[in-house]
Amino acid sequence: SQELEQSPQSLIVQEGKNLTINCTSSKTLYGLYWYKQKYGEGLIFLMMLQKGGEEKSHEKITAKLDEKKQQSSLHITASQPSHAGIYLCGAEVGGSNYKLTFGKGTLLTVNP
Amino acid sequence: KAGVTQTPRYLIKTRGQQVTLSCSPISGHRSVSWYQQTPGQGLQFLFEYFSETQRNKGNFPGRFSGRQFSNSRSEMNVSTLELGDSALYLCASSSYSGGYNEQFFGPGTRLTVL
Repeated sequence: SQELEQSPQSLIVQEGKNLTINCTSSKTLYGLYWYKQKYGEGLIFLMMLQKGGEEKSHEKITAKLDEKKQQSSLHITASQPSHAGIYLCGAEVGGSNYKLTFGKGTLLTVNP
Repeated sequence: KAGVTQTPRYLIKTRGQQVTLSCSPISGHRSVSWYQQTPGQGLQFLFEYFSETQRNKGNFPGRFSGRQFSNSRSEMNVSTLELGDSALYLCASSSYSGGYNEQFFGPGTRLTVL
């Protein structure tokens, strides 16, 4: 089965600092999703990447998909307390986009 | 458009009981997926329904079942509850008309089994 490894597991940064979260797959990535979750709540969709080399940005968050490395990265520029939460990457299993496998998540804390 | 809604938001049950959770997808979405989230295992896929048919199922025992109605609303049922079933149950809906489609998640139902 496909597995996703996220690193780091947790991250504490000072407000205004940049940070990167990585998501590495044991198999080829057909579609990679990034979600944000506040503890105990539902997931908020951030971005979806499909093609190798694809890069998408939304406000201060940028995600890239390196298909050759079977890896995706999520970069936050000038972090703010509102960025705090759990970031999860999800991947389509065997090209099936209605069955996602998820990483364990990265807990981000942003200190003001 | 209203988002994905789940009811109830919180539930406390005892071992051996059964429970039914409900999910109403975004209007127009025909695909509903269910996930279980626990601190130890993370987020795990349970099953997915499209047009009242189960298209895919995760690795969960038969105690976990689901269904989808003609209006796309979905329910999942867990029978003979065990302590390990305590989790946040999330459903997600997708328009899925082929190709890649983002899944929109509901707020979840927090189930506690005593």
